[in-house]
Amino acid sequence: NAGVTQTPKFHILKTGQSMTLQCAQDMNHGYMSWYRQDPGMGLRLIYYSAAAGTTDKEVPNGYNVSRLNTEDFPLRLVSAAPSQTSVYLCARLRPGTVNSYEQYFGPGTRLTVT
Amino acid sequence: SQQGEEDPQALSIQEGENATMNCSYKTSINNLQWYRQNSGRGLVHLILIRSNEREKHSGRLRVTLDTSKKSSSLLITASRAADTASYFCATVQTGANNLFFGTGTRLTVIP
Repeated sequence: NAGVTQTPKFHILKTGQSMTLQCAQDMNHGYMSWYRQDPGMGLRLIYYSAAAGTTDKEVPNGYNVSRLNTEDFPLRLVSAAPSQTSVYLCARLRPGTVNSYEQYFGPGTRLTVT
Repeated sequence: SQQGEEDPQALSIQEGENATMNCSYKTSINNLQWYRQNSGRGLVHLILIRSNEREKHSGRLRVTLDTSKKSSSLLITASRAADTASYFCATVQTGANNLFFGTGTRLTVIP
């Protein structure tokens, strides 16, 4: 998946539990993003980060995001709710596409909140 | 809300036929991109067309863009069973720095 790894592949959480979805890239690209994908709704942006140490938009309720270094971009579910059941996709920019935002996506984490 | 809506939601064709899927969007854009998603390879970038372009080709793919109608189409010629996948359009709105995805078209190519 073009140098973007995500762990775990699958996970089941109980309502109220917290967990961190891991995403890592093997290139030195600043821009990374998180999407969630639900049936019939396409992909919805959760958050993006232009560079390590930056926060670029308001983080949606229920999520926490950090970008301590360029390679890692973890997404934390603070207190999971069934509405957060989804497939979570992490992405980085394709080389040479800073201004057009073409992206490489990771394989995804399928998360179920019961 | 979603920036793009795709039509049809699902499409089934015979191998060798052409497949056309359409995307409409709501605001002015810098570019429009098409992605393919199947279970084997995840979500993969196919092609990008900029707002000042009207048509672009890549192999068996042909993309058109009509900014006056805020719509785009993706044509896959001489389809193959391996083209079976979901296809998504995604836009970069003017002044924005992220992608907005449509809801996708599910294409099935019957061998």
